[in-house]
Amino acid sequence: AQKITQTQPGMFVQEKEAVTLDCTYDTSDPSYGLFWYKQPSSGEMIFLIYQGSYDQQNATEGRYSLNFQKARKSANLVISASQLGDSAMYFCAMREIQGAQKLVFGQGTRLTINP
Amino acid sequence: NAGVTQTPKFRVLKTGQSMTLLCAQDMNHEYMYWYRQDPGMGLRLIHYSVGEGTTAKGEVPDGYNVSRLKKQNFLLGLESAAPSQTSVYFCASTPFPDRANYGYTFGSGTRLTVV
Repeated sequence: AQKITQTQPGMFVQEKEAVTLDCTYDTSDPSYGLFWYKQPSSGEMIFLIYQGSYDQQNATEGRYSLNFQKARKSANLVISASQLGDSAMYFCAMREIQGAQKLVFGQGTRLTINP
Repeated sequence: NAGVTQTPKFRVLKTGQSMTLLCAQDMNHEYMYWYRQDPGMGLRLIHYSVGEGTTAKGEVPDGYNVSRLKKQNFLLGLESAAPSQTSVYFCASTPFPDRANYGYTFGSGTRLTVV
């Protein structure tokens, strides 16, 4: 069974600093996808970035980058130059490529950006 | 606007009452999912569907039933609500996967309180 682990329940960062949110995963499937979502206090799920298991390069989307280390089974999210609006819950999730495309979520990390 | 629409957005039920949550998508997606999110936690899969007329159990299916009679709609039913079912419910959908089209679309959530 697939499993996602986020070991940081909460993080506090000064504005404009870079921040890394940790995510480790466990799967026996050779092919999978990894997602990061942001959930602000308003509650909606906002897609940030995606990494496929066979992608050669780490994914980047604006200020977001994914530090994908396949051998260590980690997919950490890096946010550069953090902003006050980055304060939110962040979820790492893994998609099974075969079958029903189910998305399995980690417990989340609450990020607070201090001015 | 194209996307996933959940109704209702809020609901308060008394223990033992029944209700149905509706998820409607207009993107012709094959796969649909119901998740629940408890305070401070990640999303857990309740039930899912890989196409019209199909449903399957997820991680936490007890106390819920689902139906997908039409491709665009995925209904989640609570036959006899319990306080443990107090949660925020999210519906999500995704198309048949390919490398160019792998994302999930989430509804805005239904906040259910059972008293």
